[in-house]
Amino acid sequence: GAVVSQHPSWVICKSGTSVKIECRSLDFQATTMFWYRQFPKQSLMLMATSNEGSKATYEQGVEKDKFLINHASLTLSTLTVTSAHPEDSSFYICSARGVAGAVRYTQYFGPGTRLTVL
Amino acid sequence: AQSVTQLDSQVPVFEEAPVELRCNYSSSVSVYLFWYVQYPNQGLQLLLKYLSGSTLVESINGFEAEFNKSQTSFHLRKPSVHISDTAEYFCAVSRLSNFGNEKLTFGTGTRLTIIP
Repeated sequence: GAVVSQHPSWVICKSGTSVKIECRSLDFQATTMFWYRQFPKQSLMLMATSNEGSKATYEQGVEKDKFLINHASLTLSTLTVTSAHPEDSSFYICSARGVAGAVRYTQYFGPGTRLTVL
Repeated sequence: AQSVTQLDSQVPVFEEAPVELRCNYSSSVSVYLFWYVQYPNQGLQLLLKYLSGSTLVESINGFEAEFNKSQTSFHLRKPSVHISDTAEYFCAVSRLSNFGNEKLTFGTGTRLTIIP
């Protein structure tokens, strides 16, 4: 139980294009999902907190117009990197926080998406 | 605000030897505690967690951690490690809350390398 999927697992795109990453909680409902970015050999950096049906809350220094987050349902959140540039290349990981039962109070992570911008 | 300290950035251990990965936290409020493991090019997997109750928690693959409130620690232990335990381990805390949007505060991670 408590499985989170991400799609795609990797993507290569040209500079200036937009890329959408999906995050789904497969077997539990999550009113809150989180988006992280991870640089090589470093810990995770929280980018934003996404609540179902409302606007995302971005961390300081994260451009909300560049990293668009939509949380349309209790099982799906999307991150769109708009007008991507090489410096946006990174490993993006989402997580979903369970609200009830054995998954409550706990963030479960997706497998990550490797984005490479040429 | 909370903070998490993982003092050991790298821990090399011989196969079948015991290991302890240290985690200390600082918080002015009660917290939930977590250990996550990350294998190369993968997301994080929950290893174990402490929410309440018994201070000793165990995972299905032989790891255990003990919540020590007086020492504000949540060290991870395994009595006998395997090659497959080679990974990055992250300790994390979140505030005790019924709300769903509580953030996780991560430590900087410990790279566990098992030597054959």
